[in-house]
Amino acid sequence: DADVTQTPRNRITKTGKRIMLECSQTKGHDRMYWYRQDPGLGLRLIYYSFDVKDINKGEISDGYSVSRQAQAKFSLSLESAIPNQTALYFCATSQASRVDGYTFGSGTRLTVV
Amino acid sequence: DQQVKQNSPSLSVQEGRISILNCDYTNSMFDYFLWYKKYPAEGPTFLISISSIKDKNEDGRFTVFLNKSAKHLSLHIVPSQPGDSAVYFCAASARVYGGSQGNLIFGKGTKLSVKP
Repeated sequence: DADVTQTPRNRITKTGKRIMLECSQTKGHDRMYWYRQDPGLGLRLIYYSFDVKDINKGEISDGYSVSRQAQAKFSLSLESAIPNQTALYFCATSQASRVDGYTFGSGTRLTVV
Repeated sequence: DQQVKQNSPSLSVQEGRISILNCDYTNSMFDYFLWYKKYPAEGPTFLISISSIKDKNEDGRFTVFLNKSAKHLSLHIVPSQPGDSAVYFCAASARVYGGSQGNLIFGKGTKLSVKP
């Protein structure tokens, strides 16, 4: 099994619908992140969480919300999806005491029509 | 304003030759730098890193060079192989209050194509 699992892998949804992307990890890391990737824009941070009770906005949090249900689970919600939220979404984890970077999930390709 | 810049969206090299991917940064507080590699339909994976106390780190065919005075780092791949074709992201972080490493800031990526 993957260390960081994202579900679903692909999703097409309609404008205005609420959608949740889920992420779970088995690495025992305390930090979790949500990024989105758009062509030519690289990886941009949406939200991050240092532990269950510590959730912070990233650079592009508008239109998104998150929930850290447990140490191993971090979900991203789009309350009312819009077409410019069509992107590839990645969840990542890291350990605060380590400096060797993040472990990423395989991504969720979201299309809002 | 971008703190980590990869100014070349794409790079094409011949198999067996050297690939050089460049990255510039603006934040002098960054003290740890990483390169990630991303294949289509997969998440980015860690490739190599370097601390600001070093100017070179080597791992097999991959070497990262850091020039702190120029706020520049580069990734050298020698020899390049077709399997190296991927998007490469440069990332950086700084120590925050309490001593832990802060969030990674990513560049926009460079798509490397290695032709047989």
